[in-house]
Amino acid sequence: DSGVTQTPKHLITATGQRVTLRCSPRSGDLSVYWYQQSLDQGLQFLIQYYNGEERAKGNILERFSAQQFPDLHSELNLSSLELGDSALYFCASSVYRSGELFFGEGSRLTVL
Amino acid sequence: QQQVKQSPQSLIVQKGGISIINCAYENTAFDYFPWYQQFPGKGPALLIAIRPDVSEKKEGRFTISFNKSAKQFSLHIMDSQPGDSATYFCAASMNTGFQKLVFGTGTRLLVSP
Repeated sequence: DSGVTQTPKHLITATGQRVTLRCSPRSGDLSVYWYQQSLDQGLQFLIQYYNGEERAKGNILERFSAQQFPDLHSELNLSSLELGDSALYFCASSVYRSGELFFGEGSRLTVL
Repeated sequence: QQQVKQSPQSLIVQKGGISIINCAYENTAFDYFPWYQQFPGKGPALLIAIRPDVSEKKEGRFTISFNKSAKQFSLHIMDSQPGDSATYFCAASMNTGFQKLVFGTGTRLLVSP
């Protein structure tokens, strides 16, 4: 158990809908990362937050947004969903400037 | 320049054999190179990592070999076991400010009994 909690584990929705994925980092970790994993693309970095502030942005679509709250949990919002958004979405956390990321078990999103 | 290229995409090794996975990078600013192991239904977990000031790091049956001049690094799994069957990702990051790991595309390893 990495200590990172992600909910929901599975989510099935329709195109055009909006979903929110939630992540609770390990106790004491201030950095939260979101990654998207699809079969043909591997792990793609989406966005990183540190202590509530956005710190790095990757290949995150404009339809996606995220935030980190004062209690350090984070949410990834995916809107106007398309079939191609079906993927595993991972949250990871780390101690600041530590090389090791601790990953949750992911949220599997299926868009029908 | 932010890419990490990983090969092979899949690998089948007999129990007791050596599994070798290779990665290459372009960005010379990368200075941290971890390998992550992912089992089905689980998130990736750090397996072993190396920094470019050493050419090799060994932890148990797992060894990273690092070639700075060639900008390549590889994972060797000695005496591969069926329990090693998983997907392996190499990654790289710059230890400047806020870390962002760039991952390779993954290698699916199957160790046959």
